[in-house]
Amino acid sequence: GNSVTQMEGPVTLSEEAFLTINCTYTATGYPSLFWYVQYPGEGLQLLLKATKADDKGSNKGFEATYRKETTSFHLEKGSVQVSDSAVYFCALFFSSNTGKLIFGQGTTLQVKP
Amino acid sequence: DGGITQSPKYLFRKEGQNVTLSCEQNLNHDAMYWYRQDPGQGLRLIYYSQIVNDFQKGDIAEGYSVSREKKESFPLTVTSAQKNPTAFYLCASQDLPSYNEQFFGPGTRLTVL
Repeated sequence: GNSVTQMEGPVTLSEEAFLTINCTYTATGYPSLFWYVQYPGEGLQLLLKATKADDKGSNKGFEATYRKETTSFHLEKGSVQVSDSAVYFCALFFSSNTGKLIFGQGTTLQVKP
Repeated sequence: DGGITQSPKYLFRKEGQNVTLSCEQNLNHDAMYWYRQDPGQGLRLIYYSQIVNDFQKGDIAEGYSVSREKKESFPLTVTSAQKNPTAFYLCASQDLPSYNEQFFGPGTRLTVL
């Protein structure tokens, strides 16, 4: 079946450090891939997305590239800030399906000043 | 401003009571979703609806019920049959047929006393 696996957290970094959060997926076909962010006590917000292989999604300094050969969609940021502290979810869906999202378990990022 | 509202933000109930969580959207989206989030876990789909007066079970529908009498509203009832209802509940909506991103509400935290 279709699934998403993220690296376990929490990930703790100092401000201005480089961030990588790994995400790999298992899917039959070619899904669209998303990264959502959840700040404490809030709902999810779309951070970035990619709809086909080799696409790069980017937003607010975050980037992720859709790698079909490694079935991965790793999230990166060159210099994190304390305000980036949140839970990050990788997700996939098929537009030919019902629009249902399949989520990874989430990775908590803590950035210390 | 367009968006999704959920109420209340915090909800307490006694064991054996049914409780209804509200979700309203003014984005004119056809599809709406309910997810459950537990600590350290990803989101799990409870129910979804793609059209008024129609809805489908998600992965963990037991102990829950929904209705979709209006396009903008998708209330979720947590019944006494739900064995472990304490969780964070998120509602989302999505435009069809573009199957673009899902937009999330701020969530309702339900605690069973």
